[in-house]
Amino acid sequence: GAGVSQTPSNKVTEKGKYVELRCDPISGHTALYWYRQSLGQGPEFLIYFQGTGAADDSGLPNDRFFAVRPEGSVSTLKIQRTERGDSAVYLCASSSNEGDTQYFGPGTRLTVL
Amino acid sequence: QKEVEQNSGPLSVPEGAIASLNCTYSDRGSQSFFWYRQYSGKSPELIMFIYSNGDKEDGRFTAQLNKASQYVSLLIRDSQPSDSATYLCAVTGTGFQKLVFGTGTRLLVSP
Repeated sequence: GAGVSQTPSNKVTEKGKYVELRCDPISGHTALYWYRQSLGQGPEFLIYFQGTGAADDSGLPNDRFFAVRPEGSVSTLKIQRTERGDSAVYLCASSSNEGDTQYFGPGTRLTVL
Repeated sequence: QKEVEQNSGPLSVPEGAIASLNCTYSDRGSQSFFWYRQYSGKSPELIMFIYSNGDKEDGRFTAQLNKASQYVSLLIRDSQPSDSATYLCAVTGTGFQKLVFGTGTRLLVSP
């Protein structure tokens, strides 16, 4: 079946702009996760959704970052007033339930100029 | 101290040899342990998971877990050039939710 999909695959923006990154999880998966991966590092947890609610947003670096999952399926990660330090690959993962194996999407490479 | 530690490598092995990748973790409450493979420019791909002490085998891959020593390893038998990638160790805590990753070990298998 179809895996996790993410759009766009690449996003280039200017410092101070607003961006939205989209994640479409595997059909039927109730748990959805966002991670951020910088060059040479492992993925770093940002936020976890169980259904429509954010069960753990402890990884969001500051209040410029926000994520939603209004219908319990697609999720959008929103970054306001982007900074050069936000440049990274943003990965989305989903699992059939919390605690189950997480499957990753292809990621969105964000570049802030 | 990082929560999950891996040697960044590169670990170089000849084709056909056994590659041994190691990982230590600091949270004694960690419950689940995962190995992901990541090719350059691609996203992590699950190789194996292990929950209980001991060994777990899947084809050419064996995961080993020692909770007392807070140590998990991945053995790759009959290494192939196509195994050349970065191997990420990840653990989950008592909440079974977020994955905490190490920085990864880069494996190079030479023909």
